[in-house]
Amino acid sequence: EPEVTQTPSHQVTQMGQEVILRCVPISNHLYFYWYRQILGQKVEFLVSFYNNEISEKSEIFDDQFSVERPDGSNFTLKIRSTKLEDSAMYFCASSRQANQPQHFGDGTRLSIL
Amino acid sequence: QQPVQSPQAVILREGEDAVINCSSSKALYSVHWYRQKHGEAPVFLMILLKGGEQKGHEKISASFNEKKQQSSLYLTASQLSYSGTYFCGTEGTGRRALTFGSGTRLQVQP
Repeated sequence: EPEVTQTPSHQVTQMGQEVILRCVPISNHLYFYWYRQILGQKVEFLVSFYNNEISEKSEIFDDQFSVERPDGSNFTLKIRSTKLEDSAMYFCASSRQANQPQHFGDGTRLSIL
Repeated sequence: QQPVQSPQAVILREGEDAVINCSSSKALYSVHWYRQKHGEAPVFLMILLKGGEQKGHEKISASFNEKKQQSSLYLTASQLSYSGTYFCGTEGTGRRALTFGSGTRLQVQP
């Protein structure tokens, strides 16, 4: 069964450094999402992406964050200058259409030192 | 505004039933249910679109009451594998992003 894949599985970065998280959504899916989950808390929406542009973003997704689809398969989340509070599990998800199931990748655990 | 889930936690014996509720103060277009095991990604269980439908997946089913903006997840004859945290994610009208509740931690004991 096709799945969403994310790399790396764990990223350790010094505060202030840039980090790029990578995702390969399911191939015939058109909607892509990034969510994050701070340890022990609920999953929080960051941004959704459709037709090569951001369709929706949350208050968390400030100027430090950006997303890109550099080619036909990858979907990336960049954090320009990481802060301690950016430490979390970051999940990528994709869905075939709007209002259809969103399938999550296994996540990238981001640790900011 | 995030949906409210209840209960926050429940402990069951194998074979017992449970109901998890998810309610919103805003008009909903759909409700998605996920189960997450510790250290793993959320796994999609089912989606309910407005219209009050009920869906089933093996011994797990769910309903969506559009008037009350409430969804309930029913787990019958629970198995050890049902243990985990259950999240509802809601989609408002005109939105595509999911707003998740705080989760219900379910533990099934032998």
